[in-house]
Amino acid sequence: DQQVKQNSPSLSVQEGRISILNCDYTNSMFDYFLWYKKYPAEGPTFLISISSIKDKNEDGRFTVFLNKSAKHLSLHIVPSQPGDSAVYFCAASVIQGAQKLVFGQGTRLTINP
Amino acid sequence: NAGVMQNPRHLVRRRGQEARLRCSPMKGHSHVYWYRQLPEEGLKFMVYLQKENIIDESGMPKERFSAEFPKEGPSILRIQQVVRGDSAAYFCASSPEGPTGANVLTFGAGSRLTVL
Repeated sequence: DQQVKQNSPSLSVQEGRISILNCDYTNSMFDYFLWYKKYPAEGPTFLISISSIKDKNEDGRFTVFLNKSAKHLSLHIVPSQPGDSAVYFCAASVIQGAQKLVFGQGTRLTINP
Repeated sequence: NAGVMQNPRHLVRRRGQEARLRCSPMKGHSHVYWYRQLPEEGLKFMVYLQKENIIDESGMPKERFSAEFPKEGPSILRIQQVVRGDSAAYFCASSPEGPTGANVLTFGAGSRLTVL
């Protein structure tokens, strides 16, 4: 039962352009969503989060959008830089049970010079 | 390095042996979480511990797996009688306070277990 899905295993974007990573979820109880970034041989690093009372959160080049009716969130990176090449995981939780982050399978983003 | 420290980074075991993975949380963090990542999958929650207490082990397999976080020393994830299906990356995370949405987990670099 995959409650959080990232349907694109990989994405390739040209440097300077916008990268859009997508995530869908099925559990309507989720009320907190996060994006983590992971380089090879390292642990996931927190990137940005959003609670269900918002539909957008922005931090520098990174913006997360949440569409609750569609149970969909996306991460926008603009402009994309070579250092953004990594695997991106979407995660969700219930706020009062946030130890149990439910992760998607990840999307490998490659930024081409 | 004040981050979450995990060791060993790589561990090879034969079927039937025991695997012990250690995790030292970030300085000042008293809450530890273990996650497992199987090949081509996302991370999956296993267990949440505070010092000397298991708070939530709902993600732990019912047999062969155990975790502890003693008063002194690192948290240990122990897998007895390993099988090939236990081959995975095991990530530890920590946080300074209890898990709420605003409390982001800081992950270690992981321990990769290979069972021959």
